Amino acid sequence: EVQLVESGGGLVKPGGSLRLSCAAPEVTFSGYSMNWVRQAPGKGLEWVSCITSSSSYTYYADSVKGRFTISRDNAQKSLYLQMNSLRLGDTAVYYCARGPAVAAASPAFDIWGQGTMVTVSS
Amino acid sequence: QSALTQPASVSGSPGQSITISCTGTSSDVGSYNLVSWYQQYPGKSPKLLIYEISRRPSGVSSRFSGFRSGNTASLTIFGLQDEDEADYYCCSYAGGSTSPFVFGTGTKLTVL
Repeated sequence: EVQLVESGGGLVKPGGSLRLSCAAPEVTFSGYSMNWVRQAPGKGLEWVSCITSSSSYTYYADSVKGRFTISRDNAQKSLYLQMNSLRLGDTAVYYCARGPAVAAASPAFDIWGQGTMVTVSS
Repeated sequence: QSALTQPASVSGSPGQSITISCTGTSSDVGSYNLVSWYQQYPGKSPKLLIYEISRRPSGVSSRFSGFRSGNTASLTIFGLQDEDEADYYCCSYAGGSTSPFVFGTGTKLTVL
């Protein structure tokens, strides 16, 4: 099964920073929008951020705006999420997910990673 | 942007059909043909079942069907099977230039 591979999660104190990475070794990457979606323990899915195929546009959930930064490197087939000023409420499994090649406004996330756990705790 | 509203749980017996609703507003579900549905097993990544209201990706069973009426999108599963027991989430485009996507609250499907 073709998948994305996340890394970079871990335990961090409130106010700290982490950088998540998502590799796409066997997935067609450039030309597709990419997203981060998170899931707090025992809770539902929450869309976090999106970046268009050429990095022209980035979008964020209100809950992370101003604290998180999404970026990508198409040559390295990698997606990133820089998370600053982390809060207890940011504790979650973070998934990267591929969006559509066309109709970028469609929430059709067809390929997902296995997720990486971020725990914010003092 | 508030989460779309789904029933917390639904149940059905094998062979039956069930429908999961996803209620939004005229600013999201009701305005765009851009609603997707996902299936998630415990401890696993979500899987895309339906996109653009009613389209199925290659490899997804025809037992899964999506439609929309007004501000409510729905997922129907025909001929329930034990393997359908999972969590289901809708997701809609919400327009605007800041936070374009919103997920539903999620529904736990139990196959009796």
